[in-house]
Amino acid sequence: GQQVMQIPQYQHVQEGEDFTTYCNSSTTLSNIQWYKQRPGGHPVFLIQLVKSGEVKKQKRLTFQFGEAKKNSSLHITATQTTDVGTYFCAGMDSSYKLIFGSGTRLLVRP
Amino acid sequence: GAVVSQHPSWVICKSGTSVKIECRSLDFQATTMFWYRQFPKQSLMLMATSNEGSKATYEQGVEKDKFLINHASLTLSTLTVTSAHPEDSSFYICSARQGRMRGANVLTFGAGSRLTVL
Repeated sequence: GQQVMQIPQYQHVQEGEDFTTYCNSSTTLSNIQWYKQRPGGHPVFLIQLVKSGEVKKQKRLTFQFGEAKKNSSLHITATQTTDVGTYFCAGMDSSYKLIFGSGTRLLVRP
Repeated sequence: GAVVSQHPSWVICKSGTSVKIECRSLDFQATTMFWYRQFPKQSLMLMATSNEGSKATYEQGVEKDKFLINHASLTLSTLTVTSAHPEDSSFYICSARQGRMRGANVLTFGAGSRLTVL
């Protein structure tokens, strides 16, 4: 079945440093979505990427979708303590099933 | 925006009892709902896909007799954990898809239900 792998598992950065998490699917995706989950909370939708090679920005967050629609990345510029949480990519297949990656837990030292 | 309400937010039960979790779409009709399970510090694992008016489709390794899913209306899906055991203790999260509306590829998640089986 479809698998979505995500690295790194953890990232501990100093406030102000950049952060990147990478996502790779075993199959071609119809779209990829990114979610953020704060400790004790539920996943909150951040963005969806649909087109091959697509790049989207949300303030300090930059999201990319690979040309083959099998990989994606999330880059945060100049992290802040409010960025703390676990970032999940999730790949959607043609049947609208959303398969989550393993997540990257971001910790930010003030 | 779209809101999904999940109830209860937490529940503690004795081993052997059954627990029902409800997932409601409050301001839209959800043709499809998905049930996920999340263990501490792990990712969300898709358990089953629930389509209104039809039987749920379970992922490999998920016991359909153990986790009963009912999607009787376009705004309500329920997950019943039957004869719960301590290993069923987990965070259960539902999500809903808005059918054919624009943005239907985006899922709205409920706040989750934390189940603890003693």
